[in-house]
Amino acid sequence: EVQLVESGGGLVQPGGSLRLSCAASGFTFSNYWMNWVRQAPGKGLEWVANIKQDGSETKYVDSVKGRFTVSRDNANNLLSLQMNSLRAEDTAVYYCARGYQYWGQGTLVIVSS
Amino acid sequence: DVVMTQSPLSLPVTLGQPASISCRSSQSLVYSDGNTYLNWFHQRPGQSPRRLIYKISNRDSGVPDRFSGSGSGTDFTLKISRVEAEDVGVYYCMQVTYWPYTFGQGTNLDIK
Repeated sequence: EVQLVESGGGLVQPGGSLRLSCAASGFTFSNYWMNWVRQAPGKGLEWVANIKQDGSETKYVDSVKGRFTVSRDNANNLLSLQMNSLRAEDTAVYYCARGYQYWGQGTLVIVSS
Repeated sequence: DVVMTQSPLSLPVTLGQPASISCRSSQSLVYSDGNTYLNWFHQRPGQSPRRLIYKISNRDSGVPDRFSGSGSGTDFTLKISRVEAEDVGVYYCMQVTYWPYTFGQGTNLDIK
């Protein structure tokens, strides 16, 4: 069974940093592009970033470029999202997803003073 | 960026009746390989999204056959042949043809 479990969310001050993790199991992690998608409270879905199977290629939505970094550890089936210079508008539930067919339960990030 | 526009944004439906959601993209979603990468998702309150349909009309495993997707180019439709109580929630279309990938605003389906 495919499982994706996010962690690392919490309350952070504007300008601060946070690192999200997504532990994957039930499939060959190194075979898939992986994605981060977020959802602000009461709002719609926004694709944030993704990373190729071997980590050689990454893509970001413009609003997070230069601030967020997606990475992966294929040996440990772990996807990460390093978020720096956080802003209030980054407040959201962050989901990791495999190919958009499988999603985690999400982790909430709140950026507030 | 490709803009995805859904309509209606609110869809009250009587149980057992059909429902239809439209999604239009600001440019053709046909990729260079000939495929059109248009997905549909359903999200119940407090839950993660669930993909229903990929590449316009392909149902994911476990998705009831009352859900169907159609369309081409820039115009796409999700249809539910007979709405059931478990179908309430928000429906999103999403294009994965062009970076950055983009979602529609969502259509909130509820029961009349």
